[in-house]
Amino acid sequence: DQQVKQNSPSLSVQEGRISILNCDYTNSMFDYFLWYKKYPAEGPTFLISISSIKDKNEDGRFTVFLNKSAKHLSLHIVPSQPGDSAVYFCAASDRQGGSEKLVFGKGMKLTVNP
Amino acid sequence: NAGVMQNPRHLVRRRGQEARLRCSPMKGHSHVYWYRQLPEEGLKFMVYLQKENIIDESGMPKERFSAEFPKEGPSILRIQQVVRGDSAAYFCASSPTTSGRAEQFFGPGTRLTVL
Repeated sequence: DQQVKQNSPSLSVQEGRISILNCDYTNSMFDYFLWYKKYPAEGPTFLISISSIKDKNEDGRFTVFLNKSAKHLSLHIVPSQPGDSAVYFCAASDRQGGSEKLVFGKGMKLTVNP
Repeated sequence: NAGVMQNPRHLVRRRGQEARLRCSPMKGHSHVYWYRQLPEEGLKFMVYLQKENIIDESGMPKERFSAEFPKEGPSILRIQQVVRGDSAAYFCASSPTTSGRAEQFFGPGTRLTVL
C-alpha cells in the first residue's frame, strides 16, 4: 500500500516554461514533505522541503505547495532549464514511534527540451 | 567538506555469498539511514541507526540482513547468502543530531549485482 504516490511517470516541457510535478499522500501524520532530484548512477539530492503546517515554500526557481485537505503537494520549477532534466522523488517524513524514516514515491522523470 | 561516502560503488556477488556495504556519514552527522531501490521503483526505507544503536529496523527483511553503526568506523549493511532478488541500489543517508526539517543527505549508492 503506497503512502506516497507520484502518478505521472514522466513529464516533458520546453526550456523556459513551468514544470509542475505532483504528489499525493495518504498518511495525515506525515510532518514534513521533501523533494529530491536524482541523476542516473548518483544518489538523490535534496531540493526543497515544506512543513505540514505551511502551505508554500519558495527557494529560487523552486516552489512547493501543500494542500493538506487534499493530501496533495506539488513542485513548481520556473523557468525550467535543460539541467533540470532528472528523476524527481517526492518524500514524506514519518517520525512516529521515534523513527525518522522517509517514505518515497516512485519518482517522475522530467525532461526539459532546449 | 565531504558528503556521505559509500563503498564500494559497485559490488558483484554470486548467489550464497556475503555482501558488505559501507557508509561514512557527513561530518557531524550521527544519524544513518539505509534505503534500497529496486529497478523502476522509489527508495524503500530499511533501517535507521544512531551510534551503537538500531532505532528502527522495520524495513529490514527478517532474515539474512543486518546493520550496525559502531562507535568508531562506518556503518555496515550486511547481506548474508545473497539471492538474485537482492540485486538493487543501496543508498545510505545521514542527518544531524536533530534535523528539524527532516532533511537527509544521501550518498552515491552501492549497486549490488547478484549473479
